[in-house]
Amino acid sequence: AQSVTQLGSHVSVSEGALVLLRCNYSSSVPPYLFWYVQYPNQGLQLLLKYTSAATLVKGINGFEAEFKKSETSFHLTKPSAHMSDAAEYFCAVSEGSSNTGKLIFGQGTTLQVKP
Amino acid sequence: EAQVTQNPRYLITVTGKKLTVTCSQNMNHEYMSWYRQDPGLGLRQIYYSMNVEVTDKGDVPEGYKVSRKEKRNFPLILESPSPNQTSLYFCASSLLNPWALHFGNGTRLTVT
Repeated sequence: AQSVTQLGSHVSVSEGALVLLRCNYSSSVPPYLFWYVQYPNQGLQLLLKYTSAATLVKGINGFEAEFKKSETSFHLTKPSAHMSDAAEYFCAVSEGSSNTGKLIFGQGTTLQVKP
Repeated sequence: EAQVTQNPRYLITVTGKKLTVTCSQNMNHEYMSWYRQDPGLGLRQIYYSMNVEVTDKGDVPEGYKVSRKEKRNFPLILESPSPNQTSLYFCASSLLNPWALHFGNGTRLTVT
């Protein structure tokens, strides 16, 4: 069965510091992987996706993530945090060969950015 | 503008009073889905639809119904709401594969 684990429900960084949000997955087949961001009172917005092409994926707002099959990880990074990055971030996985479209979401990580 | 539109944004109702939350997308997506978001439980799928007249249960379908009579619309129906259905609900849509979901802004439902 697929599952997603996000390490750390809350992460706090200073403005300008590196952002690292961790995501590990389990999947019996090659997965598709996603990162979503949720701002207060809004729906989830797709940041980036991995669909078995390049392992380093660049997304919007300066975020990127690297798919590491040996570590079953898909960590999200940004070199320099901005105050506007404060939000909740969700990692999600779907089976690449799946025909149901179902995404399994992690529990979410709240990113706090301090001035 | 490409978007998924849910209505209403906020809804307070009483136990047993039937309600419908509407969802519409303007991106010609085949796939649509409903999720509920609860603190500590993340997002859980309620129902999904691969195309018109094709729907199937997700992880938590009890107490909910859906229909897909048109490609753009996917309403969520609560025939007899109960307090444990108090939650934040999201509708989402995507093309078939690779399932990059586009989400609506959510409907916060309170059942008293």
